[in-house]
Amino acid sequence: DTEVTQTPKHLVMGMTNKKSLKCEQHMGHRAMYWYKQKAKKPPELMFVYSYEKLSINESVPSRFSPECPNSSLLNLHLHALQPEDSALYLCASSQVSGGSYEQYFGPGTRLTVT
Amino acid sequence: AQTVTQSQPEMSVQEAETVTLSCTYDTSENNYYLFWYKQPPSRQMILVIRQEAYKQQNATENRFSVNFQKAAKSFSLKISDSQLGDTAMYFCAFMEWGDDKIIFGKGTRLHILP
Repeated sequence: DTEVTQTPKHLVMGMTNKKSLKCEQHMGHRAMYWYKQKAKKPPELMFVYSYEKLSINESVPSRFSPECPNSSLLNLHLHALQPEDSALYLCASSQVSGGSYEQYFGPGTRLTVT
Repeated sequence: AQTVTQSQPEMSVQEAETVTLSCTYDTSENNYYLFWYKQPPSRQMILVIRQEAYKQQNATENRFSVNFQKAAKSFSLKISDSQLGDTAMYFCAFMEWGDDKIIFGKGTRLHILP
């Protein structure tokens, strides 16, 4: 099983709402990632979790709050977003760093902030 | 800092033809990995092929092969006998050994024409 799942597929939220994105993998991977992707652009790394601990935060605004409850789950909590935060949010997982471990991507959550 | 450059924003080829996508990168590191990722219109990113920098032999995966020129810092992807399902955005990517962070190029949008 090489699947990374993400829910929901689509999300529309107002600027005052609080919502969460969910990502799950059952490949035994110990590194999980959040990316933001704008149309026709490459993914931009937001956060990396390694062994359930936050290892990289790419200076992401605090309105995005990641959480890794266990080795299979990754959440991204959203609060007070701006319209420019509308994008495709991709989750990925891999075996931990130190080797040539490729990242497996989920299908993404299409987020629209109104 | 490492950079990845894809000089072809968009390409179109006829079905069954062979097509080559270009990628160059810049790094001062000796140990690293290179990847080609494919993102079809359905948006799920999948790994096409990977190359370890310490390996001289070019990686191949069925109809996909790379031409890895380490001294020239070049990593092109060749798709043989192209199929309609190869229509996608292709991202060249670099990862330093021991790192979790992938550096993506800007992508090449490939259209396979019937």
